[in-house]
Amino acid sequence: DIVMTQTPLSLSVTPGQPASISCKSSQSLLHSDGKTYLYWYLQKPGQPPQLLIYEVSNRFSGVPDRFSGSGSGTDFTLKISRVEAEDVGVYYCMQSIQLPGFGPGTKVDIK
Amino acid sequence: QVQLVQSGAEVKKPGASVKVSCKASGYTFTSYGISWVRQAPGQGLEWMGWISAYNGNTNYAQKLQGRVTMTTDTSTSTAYMELRSLRSDDTAVYYCARVRRRAIDYWGQGTLVTVSS
Repeated sequence: DIVMTQTPLSLSVTPGQPASISCKSSQSLLHSDGKTYLYWYLQKPGQPPQLLIYEVSNRFSGVPDRFSGSGSGTDFTLKISRVEAEDVGVYYCMQSIQLPGFGPGTKVDIK
Repeated sequence: QVQLVQSGAEVKKPGASVKVSCKASGYTFTSYGISWVRQAPGQGLEWMGWISAYNGNTNYAQKLQGRVTMTTDTSTSTAYMELRSLRSDDTAVYYCARVRRRAIDYWGQGTLVTVSS
């Protein structure tokens, strides 16, 4: 099984400042079809998760452009260029090159 | 717009079964799959399995094999997840979510299942 790790596990950010979350997988997420199956989700308090980024760097419909994803192979990063109050919650990375698995989550709150 | 509406909260005794429904709308049901993901209180996300709404093919997490069954009813665009032999550590919010190829995109609102004697 692929193990997903995230750092940090918690993050306190001043509004307007950038934030970055790292996600690492125990195996490469690059498929033979050329796609890399790494996703980012945000779970706001009391809500289901919502998809932010698919296949490493593609913003999902309606996701603000302050969110961006990057990386390759086993190392990935989610960046928020300027954190807003509505960005608080837990961020999860997920792989689906094998049966899907999630990282432990990174809790983001506002200073 | 894509919507996945799940059935209401359940309270079950240990050893019982629970069946959660997930009614889809706003898209062609048989063109996508449905994954089920659960979240124990204060914990992270755990993928439980997947079903193709096109042909009913399934894939379950190994730890749940033998206790979980996922089905669909294409006539009503509804997916179901049944979990048997419930234990206290099955207490969680259960989510259904749409799957296209390998992406889990839209999620239901969640169903709280409480297992308690």
